[in-house]
Amino acid sequence: DTEVTQTPKHLVMGMTNKKSLKCEQHMGHRAMYWYKQKAKKPPELMFVYSYEKLSINESVPSRFSPECPNSSLLNLHLHALQPEDSALYLCASSQDGDREVAFFGQGTRLTVV
Amino acid sequence: AQRVTQPEKLLSVFKGAPVELKCNYSYSGSPELFWYVQYSRQRLQLLLRHISRESIKGFTADLNKGETSFHLKKPFAQEEDSAMYYCALEGSQGNLIFGKGTKLSVKP
Repeated sequence: DTEVTQTPKHLVMGMTNKKSLKCEQHMGHRAMYWYKQKAKKPPELMFVYSYEKLSINESVPSRFSPECPNSSLLNLHLHALQPEDSALYLCASSQDGDREVAFFGQGTRLTVV
Repeated sequence: AQRVTQPEKLLSVFKGAPVELKCNYSYSGSPELFWYVQYSRQRLQLLLRHISRESIKGFTADLNKGETSFHLKKPFAQEEDSAMYYCALEGSQGNLIFGKGTKLSVKP
């Protein structure tokens, strides 16, 4: 299994909703990442987890809350989002020792209405 | 400063023509550089990394430390090469620093 699986593929939520994005990998990777990608732009790093501990938070607003319940799972909890948060949210993973981000999920297309 | 620059937003070539997607970087130390490709409606995927010195789908990229460049090349472009291409640098914290991307359009 060389895949990073993200669910859901699409999500529409209101500004008062609470929702979660999920990411799963079974490659034994110990580093996992959340990226945000706006249309026709490169991905922007949001969070990095290394060995299930948050190691990088790129000054992301608190309405985005990451969680790493175990080494295979990464969640992104969403609350009180704004329309400008609409984007493609990409999860990725890598061998922590190698540190290259080689595997991306297909992303969750989020629309905030 | 750690930075990746892709000067061309859009590159349009005819099928069979050579392609060169430019990438320049700024990094103190020994950089690890990558090219990622994003086909329409597909996931971002690793195309190649400079350490492996592989040729993937006919693409190659050579690290030129003197010019701080990692240009992506292919001698004969195919229509299926049309995609967004991102050059990326591994930052000092192990994260990826992406360039703004170049959209390659290969016309028949």
